[in-house]
Amino acid sequence: AQSVTQLDSHVSVSEGTPVLLRCNYSSSYSPSLFWYVQHPNKGLQLLLKYTSAATLVKGINGFEAEFKKSETSFHLTKPSAHMSDAAEYFCFVSEDYKLSFGAGTTVTVRA
Amino acid sequence: NAGVMQNPRHLVRRRGQEARLRCSPMKGHSHVYWYRQLPEEGLKFMVYLQKENIIDESGMPKERFSAEFPKEGPSILRIQQVVRGDSAAYFCASSPRQTTNNEQFFGPGTRLTVL
Repeated sequence: AQSVTQLDSHVSVSEGTPVLLRCNYSSSYSPSLFWYVQHPNKGLQLLLKYTSAATLVKGINGFEAEFKKSETSFHLTKPSAHMSDAAEYFCFVSEDYKLSFGAGTTVTVRA
Repeated sequence: NAGVMQNPRHLVRRRGQEARLRCSPMKGHSHVYWYRQLPEEGLKFMVYLQKENIIDESGMPKERFSAEFPKEGPSILRIQQVVRGDSAAYFCASSPRQTTNNEQFFGPGTRLTVL
């Protein structure tokens, strides 16, 4: 069975500084990994996904994530935070149709 | 191509009433997933359905909750005799087929408030 751990429940950054959201997973197989973002009172939007192709995945809005099998990690990064990045972020692992989400990381961006 | 639609967006029920949440998947999608997001918690998988079949309901509470995805019409998540603890956001997602590396497309959610 797979599981996901988002290591930080809350991350606060200054506008223009890098963002790092950490995600570790456990999986019996080669998983597919996703990051979704949820803005307040909105639905979930896919940021990026890893599906066993390139280990460095580029997503929307300047986000990217690197799949590291040896570390079982799929951390999300962005070089320069923008105020509009304030939201909740979910790491998600999929094996077949079995789905596991992390508990989420809330990002606040200081002006 | 319209996205996943959920209605109502907001639903208020008194304790003991029934709540019906509807989800229309994206056109061409035959797989539907329901998730619940409780306050201060992450998303939790509830159930995975294909047309007329429940594939996995391991995340559904044993009592009062049921889901269906009929041949025609939307998927329905039904909660009988609601209690305050059922207050949450319920999200539906769809995919064109069983998902391994396929994206799930999420609806905007239904926010259920139980008074």
